[in-house]
Amino acid sequence: GQQLNQSPQSMFIQEGEDVSMNCTSSSIFNTWLWYKQDPGEGPVLLIALYKAGELTSNGRLTAQFGITRKDSFLNISASIPSDVGIYFCAGHYAGGTSYGKLTFGQGTILTVHP
Amino acid sequence: DTAVSQTPKYLVTQMGNDKSIKCEQNLGHDTMYWYKQDSKKFLKIMFSYNNKELIINETVPNRFSPKSPDKAHLNLHINSLELGDSAVYFCASSRADSTDTQYFGPGTRLTVL
Repeated sequence: GQQLNQSPQSMFIQEGEDVSMNCTSSSIFNTWLWYKQDPGEGPVLLIALYKAGELTSNGRLTAQFGITRKDSFLNISASIPSDVGIYFCAGHYAGGTSYGKLTFGQGTILTVHP
Repeated sequence: DTAVSQTPKYLVTQMGNDKSIKCEQNLGHDTMYWYKQDSKKFLKIMFSYNNKELIINETVPNRFSPKSPDKAHLNLHINSLELGDSAVYFCASSRADSTDTQYFGPGTRLTVL
């Protein structure tokens, strides 16, 4: 089955620094998504990417859908303490028995020091 | 005005018991899902339902039985609970024509002793 490899597993940064994380897949996806999970909460959708090569921003967040459809990255600029949490990439392949199935990466734990 | 809600938030029970987790969404979505997040934070889909019909059953033991009384509700019943069932269970929902954009509930932390 499809597997996602997300890196890095964790990051410790100073407030104000930029952050970059990425995901690679063993097979293609039609949609790449990035979620953030705060402690004790469910994942919250940050950015959705629908087209190979697409570059999308949401405030200080920027994400790209790789042209091979097998990878994506997320950048966070000028990090602030509330960026702390676990960031997940997820891929969606719209076909056959994969209807509605999101495949998640292992997550990147982000810690921001004030 | 919670979009996807789950009850209970925490559930502690003994091995062998039967328990249920309830999920409701007020987004008007047709499709609902159950995911399991293990102790390493890995999220994996268990089931998806579209308009009360089972679409995905991701090789989950048959001790787990989802039930959808209407398209706004998807409950998860677990029989004969085992230690390995301890995890956080998330409900999610989406529009049927946009299953890639899923909205998650706050989760239910299940602890089996």
